[in-house]
Amino acid sequence: ILNVEQSPQSLHVQEGDSTNFTCSFPSSNFYALHWYRWETAKSPEALFVMTLNGDEKKKGRISATLNTKEGYSYLYIKGSQPEDSATYLCASFLVRYKLSFGAGTTVTVRA
Amino acid sequence: EAQVTQNPRYLITVTGKKLTVTCSQNMNHEYMSWYRQDPGLGLRQIYYSMNVEVTDKGDVPEGYKVSRKEKRNFPLILESPSPNQTSLYFCASSDRDNTEAFFGQGTRLTVV
Repeated sequence: ILNVEQSPQSLHVQEGDSTNFTCSFPSSNFYALHWYRWETAKSPEALFVMTLNGDEKKKGRISATLNTKEGYSYLYIKGSQPEDSATYLCASFLVRYKLSFGAGTTVTVRA
Repeated sequence: EAQVTQNPRYLITVTGKKLTVTCSQNMNHEYMSWYRQDPGLGLRQIYYSMNVEVTDKGDVPEGYKVSRKEKRNFPLILESPSPNQTSLYFCASSDRDNTEAFFGQGTRLTVV
């Protein structure tokens, strides 16, 4: 992995269902992994900043895990609600001080 | 209220006419950066600054300049805008480079 990559690009979820998606990043020289939530017509807002291998963070129904040795992070949404509809961005440092973003996973929750 | 303020929010300009997009933060953050967002692409870093008078190029610096004369301000300068700089621009600040970033409201720039 040479860049920050996110999959899938988009997904549709039924209200009440849980979902998860992936961020992959170069595992060498890992420094930090960021997750942001970006709603249409708004600015990205930070969800998590993760630095330790095996770290798990939680905010409400959203949680994230980090595996720095293999270079991936999962974001989980439990019991999806329409207000969870947004684009979720992850970012990592390919070079120190240069935060590189993935293209995002756009989540649409259907009522 | 802690915030990052960008101005203007929307701008339509003509090719070659110099413009500046301002960015100001009130959180005493050391690290500031500029990003552009284009359809199908993630946020791409244009320039960043680790502190006053310390700036460096991001991934897409061509055609842009920045300055960091004061800690709170980090303007983005387009000396001679071209149509390929039509984009949505975000300024962001954080306490350090590995802490959460706070984003401005965005500036939608159109160069005709």
